[in-house]
Amino acid sequence: ETGVTQTPRHLVMGMTNKKSLKCEQHLGHNAMYWYKQSAKKPLELMFVYNFKEQTENNSVPSRFSPECPNSSHLFLHLHTLQPEDSALYLCASSQDLEGTEAFFGQGTRLTVV
Amino acid sequence: GENVEQHPSTLSVQEGDSAVIKCTYSDSASNYFPWYKQELGKGPQLIIDIRSNVGEKKDQRIAVTLNKTAKHFSLHITETQPEDSAVYFCAASIWNAGNMLTFGGGTRLMVKP
Repeated sequence: ETGVTQTPRHLVMGMTNKKSLKCEQHLGHNAMYWYKQSAKKPLELMFVYNFKEQTENNSVPSRFSPECPNSSHLFLHLHTLQPEDSALYLCASSQDLEGTEAFFGQGTRLTVV
Repeated sequence: GENVEQHPSTLSVQEGDSAVIKCTYSDSASNYFPWYKQELGKGPQLIIDIRSNVGEKKDQRIAVTLNKTAKHFSLHITETQPEDSAVYFCAASIWNAGNMLTFGGGTRLMVKP
């Protein structure tokens, strides 16, 4: 266990559905991240939050909407997704944004049908 | 932006042999280079990292070398064991500028008993 917990582990959703992914860390970290891992592409950074404030949006489509209510929780709200959005979505956290180790959760395997 | 290339994409070795995975990066400002191991059904886990002020770092059977002039770094695993079988990712970032990792495409290492 890395101290970063993601739920659900698996999610199947239709293109018109709205769903949310949840990430929780018990490490006392201040920075949290969403990454996308597709079968044929390297891990892609999506969003970065530091002390609950979004510091990076890596040109992610608006159908992905992050939310960080506090430093321990991070959500990714999903709306009107496409089949090509099917991937493993990984949450990570680190103490801060200054080159400290990033701890990853186990990911949510998302399938859009 | 940064671009990280990783080779080979798959690597099969006999138990006890050494394995070497190589990465190149494009942004000369990058100064933090972690390596992650991802086992099936799990998120990536940091196994070793190196900063640009050193050329080599070793931790038991794992070592990483860095050549800043050539902009490449390598992971060396000696005396491989079946439990080393996993997907390995290299990454690069600027450690005091946001901790945003750019990942290589991954290497699937298979250690045959």
